[in-house]
Amino acid sequence: KAGVTQTPRYLIKTRGQQVTLSCSPISGHRSVSWYQQTPGQGLQFLFEYFSETQRNKGNFPGRFSGRQFSNSRSEMNVSTLELGDSALYLCASSRTGTPRTEAFFGQGTRLTVV
Amino acid sequence: QKEVEQNSGPLSVPEGAIASLNCTYSDRGSQSFFWYRQYSGKSPELIMFIYSNGDKEDGRFTAQLNKASQYVSLLIRDSQPSDSATYLCAVINAGGTSYGKLTFGQGTILTVHP
Repeated sequence: KAGVTQTPRYLIKTRGQQVTLSCSPISGHRSVSWYQQTPGQGLQFLFEYFSETQRNKGNFPGRFSGRQFSNSRSEMNVSTLELGDSALYLCASSRTGTPRTEAFFGQGTRLTVV
Repeated sequence: QKEVEQNSGPLSVPEGAIASLNCTYSDRGSQSFFWYRQYSGKSPELIMFIYSNGDKEDGRFTAQLNKASQYVSLLIRDSQPSDSATYLCAVINAGGTSYGKLTFGQGTILTVHP
């Protein structure tokens, strides 16, 4: 059974650019959540999608957005990149995103903004 | 007060010993609890998931949940050097605003020395 797949694994971007990250969840999982991990802030929740609808959103500026497709694959976009956006971006796949379901992480995308 | 707090590390134990990791949470509405292991430079790996009071065992790992005390712990028996990693405690709350949202502690670094 394939796990959660994130692409690309590494990205280097310049300030002001935009970036799109992709996440393919485990087959049968319809919930995809996105997290940002930095040494100072730890793991912080960005947003969650289920059946192409954003159901939940964390406290990040509007430059961070996402979407989900009918096959449950999800993309996350960051516009007007800032140096502080350098982080490991992780997506988590869950069958339903409700409390009694497990969540599994992908390998992450390491974004460096220069 | 942080929503999820873990015992400050780093924690160092000899090979073969029991490692005990602790986590407290502030929201009594928390429904489910996760323990993830994260090796340096890698993504979090789910090792235990618990939502009922009491103990849950899986191989060398035992999770213990006490909702009255708002406390969840992870015991690792017969610790091995390969268990050396950061252990992350995460909770998910009830309610519609919690879909897919794991709230993480800051992590505890465990080192198992030969």
